[in-house]
Amino acid sequence: KNEVEQSPQNLTAQEGEFITINCSYSVGISALHWLQQHPGGGIVSLFMLSSGKKKHGRLIATINIQEKHSSLHITASHPRDSAVYICAVKNTGNQFYFGTGTSLTVIP
Amino acid sequence: NAGVTQTPKFQVLKTGQSMTLQCAQDMNHNSMYWYRQDPGMGLRLIYYSASEGTTDKGEVPNGYNVSRLNKREFSLRLESAAPSQTSVYFCASSDGGEAFFGQGTRLTVV
Repeated sequence: KNEVEQSPQNLTAQEGEFITINCSYSVGISALHWLQQHPGGGIVSLFMLSSGKKKHGRLIATINIQEKHSSLHITASHPRDSAVYICAVKNTGNQFYFGTGTSLTVIP
Repeated sequence: NAGVTQTPKFQVLKTGQSMTLQCAQDMNHNSMYWYRQDPGMGLRLIYYSASEGTTDKGEVPNGYNVSRLNKREFSLRLESAAPSQTSVYFCASSDGGEAFFGQGTRLTVV
């Protein structure tokens, strides 16, 4: 049983394309996180959100609490965006549940 | 501000050997976590500590022990390593909001 489902699992895009990664969850949450993991590297937090929408540069994250769904958008994608993007939710007990990640490759 | 520091970065063990993975955070966070990451699977919680002096089992605790030595440090011990424990291990800490991760430990058990 996966509390967090992400799609797609793998994604290849041409540089400049608009990218969307989706996340659905089945548990009650206090917050949803989008994380980025580069090959061989650590994990960094991109967004934490509990409602609405947040934007950092070319990255936009949205969440619909009623539908238990979140999306991560990347505008004007660049090869340096190539990474694994992980959706994670935190319940009221401060426990995190993680999706299996979306592996993104942006081709020049 | 170093964030979460995790050591070692790489380790190879023989079956049956023991080792301790060290984790320290300098953000005064109460909550600390140990996860393992395996191909095709999301991060899975091994143990967590909600505060200094407390630890609780996560999803996959078998074969591991932890110590929350103080507020800063949370170590993970493998008493008798098995090939099934070959994985990438991440320590994380949180103040109830954003989570901060260590750089990971790539452990191979042969």
